[in-house]
Parts: sequence; structure tokens; C-alpha cells
Amino acid sequence: GAVVSQHPSRVICKSGTSVKIECRSLDFQATTMFWYRQFPKQSLMLMATSNEGSKATYEQGVEKDKFLINHASLTLSTLTVTSAHPEDSSFYICSATDGGANEQYFGPGTRLTVT
Amino acid sequence: KQEVTQIPAALSVPEGENLVLNCSFTDSAIYNLQWFRQDPGKGLTSLLLIQSSQREQTSGRLNASLDKSSGRSTLYIAASQPGDSATYLCASMGYSSASKIIFGSGTRLSIRP
Repeated sequence: GAVVSQHPSRVICKSGTSVKIECRSLDFQATTMFWYRQFPKQSLMLMATSNEGSKATYEQGVEKDKFLINHASLTLSTLTVTSAHPEDSSFYICSATDGGANEQYFGPGTRLTVT
Repeated sequence: KQEVTQIPAALSVPEGENLVLNCSFTDSAIYNLQWFRQDPGKGLTSLLLIQSSQREQTSGRLNASLDKSSGRSTLYIAASQPGDSATYLCASMGYSSASKIIFGSGTRLSIRP
């Protein structure tokens, strides 16, 4: 089946620094990737949708200048949390689709802790 | 705007019982509906996916149904086991596989030995 990986799986950073999370489709070309965040004991909330080669579309309330998304190739999307603060600590999950399949494939998630 | 609701928020049952988890959605124009399992601190495991044209899907002890007209889906777990303890999420997808997935708030299931 289709596999999506994320790197790193866990990251701790200091407040004010930036951190980059990678999402890769390992055995298919992902025309569209999605980024979600999940706070403890809450559900997944969509942050943004990115299509290869174009700007990401952000959901209402998500700051595009704080959460930079790049989808430069058909197998890689990155999420950069800029000037991270403790309230950005969360579980970030990506998903990907090749557009022709009937489902999205989810990565294993990245646990971000900002101290 | 699609809203997905899951009840109950938490459920605890003794091992061996059959149980039903409920999911409702406000917009019936969905592409598919999917049930996931999430263990604490982990990612998502896809359990069952029901296309909009289908009524149900089965995998082992799991059976998921879909009633678009009433905006409801159920996940039936037969002969529950302690290993079934996890959070179960349902999610609806819009008009295509490149559409947004909207997640419910989840049901935290605990199976008592």
C-alpha cells in the first residue's frame, strides 16, 4: 500500500526558534498533501492544503506566515513552524493523495514540543 | 461547512461485548467516509473506508455502515478485546480524493479485561 513518512518523529525546540517537518510519499507521487495538527485529547484539525508547485491554501485561523508550507516536488512537502512558542506544541500529521486513488494516506505524525 | 460529530466521547465496556460507535455528519455530499484508529501518542491507522455509493464495509470483527440520507455512520465491533482499546475517529472526505477530510472528535474506547 501507499506509504507516507514524516521526519522527525519527535522534536524539541526552544521558544523563538524555527523547526521544519518533512512529509514524504515513498511509493507514489503526491499531487496534493495536507497538514493537520492535533492537540492532546482533541481531534485532527486541517491546517492547510498544498498542491505541488503552487502556494498552499490555509484554513481560517491558521497563520500562513507562521506555518510555512512548501510542496516543491511530487514526493515532498515541508511544514516550517517559525518563531515557535510553547502554544505551538502539538502533534502534526500530514496526508497525501495521488489524485487518482480514492483515499488519502497519512503519515505517522511528528510530536513538536516547544520549551 | 461539513461538521462531523461522534458520540459517545468515551466508552468503557467489558471484554467480549459487541459495541457500536456512532458518527454523524451534516453534509451528505461526501466522497467517502473513513474510520481510523489512533493509539495514544501515535498516528492514524485506517480501519475501513466506505465509498459514497456503498452501504457498508467489513473487515474481520469490524463492520462500518453508511447512511448518507440520514448523515450517519456506525462502526460495529464484535467480541471486543482489550487490544481494541484506542481512540476511534471517523472522517468524511469531500467530492474527490484531493478534497478536505473533516474529522470527528473521536470516541475513546476502553475494553476492560
